[in-house]
Amino acid sequence: GAGVSQSPRYKVAKRGQDVALRCDPISGHVSLFWYQQALGQGPEFLTYFQNEAQLDKSGLPSDRFFAERPEGSVSTLKIQRTQQEDSAVYLCASRDLSNQPQHFGDGTRLSIL
Amino acid sequence: AQTVTQSQPEMSVQEAETVTLSCTYDTSESNYYLFWYKQPPSRQMILVIRQEAYKQQNATENRFSVNFQKAAKSFSLKISDSQLGDTAMYFCAFMKHATNAGKSTFGDGTTLTVKP
Repeated sequence: GAGVSQSPRYKVAKRGQDVALRCDPISGHVSLFWYQQALGQGPEFLTYFQNEAQLDKSGLPSDRFFAERPEGSVSTLKIQRTQQEDSAVYLCASRDLSNQPQHFGDGTRLSIL
Repeated sequence: AQTVTQSQPEMSVQEAETVTLSCTYDTSESNYYLFWYKQPPSRQMILVIRQEAYKQQNATENRFSVNFQKAAKSFSLKISDSQLGDTAMYFCAFMKHATNAGKSTFGDGTTLTVKP
């Protein structure tokens, strides 16, 4: 596609609900990243895929967070039993080759009530 | 672990003037990349400029240039002839140079306002 596509753009959920955020990277991009961006702060790394392999998940804040990319293209970030501190913008980025800049999507703004 | 520090939470500049945004970083790596990204209110992060640490020459992209001081671990962004469309949050970011380069580490950003 023309760019990294994320959906939904906005998500409101009640505390305790499960949510799923989708990322469709640029076609052919091998690497895919998820970041969490709190209001007024820089993106914080969550996890990284190379094709379908999750090479780094060191940034996932708890076992309530789970990400997958089963066919090496679209990725889903799932948050179980959401809590208020999960409220943030979740950014997805993709990259074709190592040492190239990442291309970011518009993000999903998640609000937990 | 790498850290990136942007010490100016907010800055403003008059249209057509020049402004410099500061960034310092800490790393034990000898080879790496540094980036400046722009994030307008619409939220999409856009690459402004990149610098490879092994290159001594400062990167330039039209009105945007950097002052890269490797020994001081400093990487500032200069915007010349500022335009209203430059109003955005600017993030400095670090990435290791590696086969599986992995993640970027970001600073907390500087909000730049260009005034007419």
